[in-house]
Amino acid sequence: QKEVEQDPGPLSVPEGAIVSLNCTYSNSAFQYFMWYRQYSRKGPELLMYTYSSGNKEDGRFTAQVDKSSKYISLFIRDSQPSDSATYLCATYTGNQFYFGTGTSLTVIP
Amino acid sequence: GAGVSQSPRYKVAKRGQDVALRCDPISGHVSLFWYQQALGQGPEFLTYFQNEAQLDKSGLPSDRFFAERPEGSVSTLKIQRTQQEDSAVYLCASIETGELFFGEGSRLTVL
Repeated sequence: QKEVEQDPGPLSVPEGAIVSLNCTYSNSAFQYFMWYRQYSRKGPELLMYTYSSGNKEDGRFTAQVDKSSKYISLFIRDSQPSDSATYLCATYTGNQFYFGTGTSLTVIP
Repeated sequence: GAGVSQSPRYKVAKRGQDVALRCDPISGHVSLFWYQQALGQGPEFLTYFQNEAQLDKSGLPSDRFFAERPEGSVSTLKIQRTQQEDSAVYLCASIETGELFFGEGSRLTVL
C-alpha cells in the first residue's frame, strides 16, 4: 500500500465550477500535508500546506485534513483556465516526502 | 541563482548508454533530493543529500544509479547502461523550512 493514494482523474470542469480533489493516506503518524501544482513540463510548486487537522484557506483554495478518516482534500472555488494543471497531494515525515500520483485538472473556458 | 536549475532539460539516450543529469540547487540550501517521475505518476524518491553527505539512497532502483554532491552544492545523478524503463523525468529539489523547491526536471528518453 502506498503512503498516499490519489485518484488520477482526469477531471474536466467548466470555468467557474467548484473543484474537489481528494487523497487518502495510510499512516496516522503523518502530520504535515501539502498540495503541489504541476504545470505541463514544469516542476511541482507548493500550493498550500496544513499541519494536523482542520482547514486552511488561501484565496480561492481551501485545504482540508480529516485525520479521523485519513483524508486530504483541496477545494478550488471559481475555477479558472489557469488552474489547469496536475495537483499532487503529499505528506512529509522526517526527511521523506510521499506524493500521490496526481490528479490532472482541465478547466474549460 | 533564483531557483533550482537542472540540465539537460531533455536527453535522448540509446539503450546501454551512460547519462549524467545535473542539478544546481538554490544557493545556501543544505538539503537536496532527487526524484523520478514516470508518466502519469507522482514523484518517487531516489536519494537525499545533506551538504555533501548522501544520507539516504534507498530509492535508487538499481546499482546502475549513482548520485553525488562532492562540494555540497551541485549534484549529479548518473545512470549507467540505461534501460528503457529508466525513461522518466528526473526532478531535483532543494528544501528550506519544510518546503521543497523543484527544478523543471530532466526528461530522459531511452530508445
